[in-house]
Amino acid sequence: DTAVSQTPKYLVTQMGNDKSIKCEQNLGHDTMYWYKQDSKKFLKIMFSYNNKELIINETVPNRFSPKSPDKAHLNLHINSLELGDSAVYFCASSPGTTNYEQYFGPGTRLTVT
Amino acid sequence: DQQVKQNSPSLSVQEGRISILNCDYTNSMFDYFLWYKKYPAEGPTFLISISSIKDKNEDGRFTVFLNKSAKHLSLHIVPSQPGDSAVYFCAALREGNKLVFGAGTILRVKS
Repeated sequence: DTAVSQTPKYLVTQMGNDKSIKCEQNLGHDTMYWYKQDSKKFLKIMFSYNNKELIINETVPNRFSPKSPDKAHLNLHINSLELGDSAVYFCASSPGTTNYEQYFGPGTRLTVT
Repeated sequence: DQQVKQNSPSLSVQEGRISILNCDYTNSMFDYFLWYKKYPAEGPTFLISISSIKDKNEDGRFTVFLNKSAKHLSLHIVPSQPGDSAVYFCAALREGNKLVFGAGTILRVKS
């Protein structure tokens, strides 16, 4: 009964490929997020969706496109992968935009070779 | 531009003693702060938070102190237990409900 799940856990791919990471939450939360943890270990927000609507879009390359088919799912699609995209990507959810506690998934380690 | 800084990459403490993890921030507009704990191969887990209108919040063995004038907060764990060994992230809330994280401090509690 995992609260926030991500698939896959590990992803190794070559430069130029397109890949997707899936996220699902069963907490009934309205808001979902994508974070990137880079090599310096900083967690940085990329996107946030509230009830399937995009509410946060940080300065992220256009190659990254989030998609929320329903409020329990937020997928991240990455086109034309680059070496610098190698990182751990975390999905998170929270009850709403005014509840600040965010619940994180286990992360997806993406390695671009 | 690091707006949230955790200047100690690691901390080692004996079991039963107090662990103090520190965090500094630069943006005076931050008005809510959170601490997260992270085990290897897992996502961060919410631990405790504090609003800028308070200077202390306590939850069991965990207490967070906020000094707004110094733009400093700290997390105290008393008594420390081996299971507390993890990476601790300090985070501050920006406008638009965006969390800004520090780089984390690795806490090792020795038994």
